[in-house]
Amino acid sequence: DAGVIQSPRHEVTEMGQEVTLRCKPISGHNSLFWYRQTMMRGLELLIYFNNNVPIDDSGMPEDRFSAKMPNASFSTLKIQPSEPRDSAVYFCASSLMALLGQPQHFGDGTRLSIL
Amino acid sequence: SQQGEEDPQALSIQEGENATMNCSYKTSINNLQWYRQNSGRGLVHLILIRSNEREKHSGRLRVTLDTSKKSSSLLITASRAADTASYFCATDTSSLQKLVFGQGTRLTINP
Repeated sequence: DAGVIQSPRHEVTEMGQEVTLRCKPISGHNSLFWYRQTMMRGLELLIYFNNNVPIDDSGMPEDRFSAKMPNASFSTLKIQPSEPRDSAVYFCASSLMALLGQPQHFGDGTRLSIL
Repeated sequence: SQQGEEDPQALSIQEGENATMNCSYKTSINNLQWYRQNSGRGLVHLILIRSNEREKHSGRLRVTLDTSKKSSSLLITASRAADTASYFCATDTSSLQKLVFGQGTRLTINP
């Protein structure tokens, strides 16, 4: 069984550039989560989707961040324009149903460095 | 602020010893989950305990939950080098409508 697949695994880009992170959830899962992990702030939930619909985006830092889920098997997190403080590891996770005691399955993350 | 706080932040023990990590939280929960994160990898779900449960076992893992003290503990028995990782608790609360992770305990098992 394929797990959650994220791409790219590493991204290094210059400040001001657009960054797009991609995620393919586990087939059959209907909830998808985007997290950001830093040493200072730990693991933060940015946004989550149920059945492709954004439910809570209160964790999205600012308007430079946007996320989409055009279908059940694909999601993107976009940062435009990127800033050095966006450097972090970004994780995507999926689960069978959000908030009903189901475990979340994480991808291995995208390590983003903004120079 | 974080819903869950792990204690200690770092723990180093010898292989074969037991490791205990604690998690405290602030508000009522539906369930509490423990995850492991190996270096450079994503989080892996270990065990879930519901608010009406007091103890749960899975292999060498034992989790307890004390809702009156708003705390949980994760015990790993007979530790192995492969248990070296960071361990996170995550709480699911009806009011927040999302999992909130603590800062984690970094566990090192010395051979």
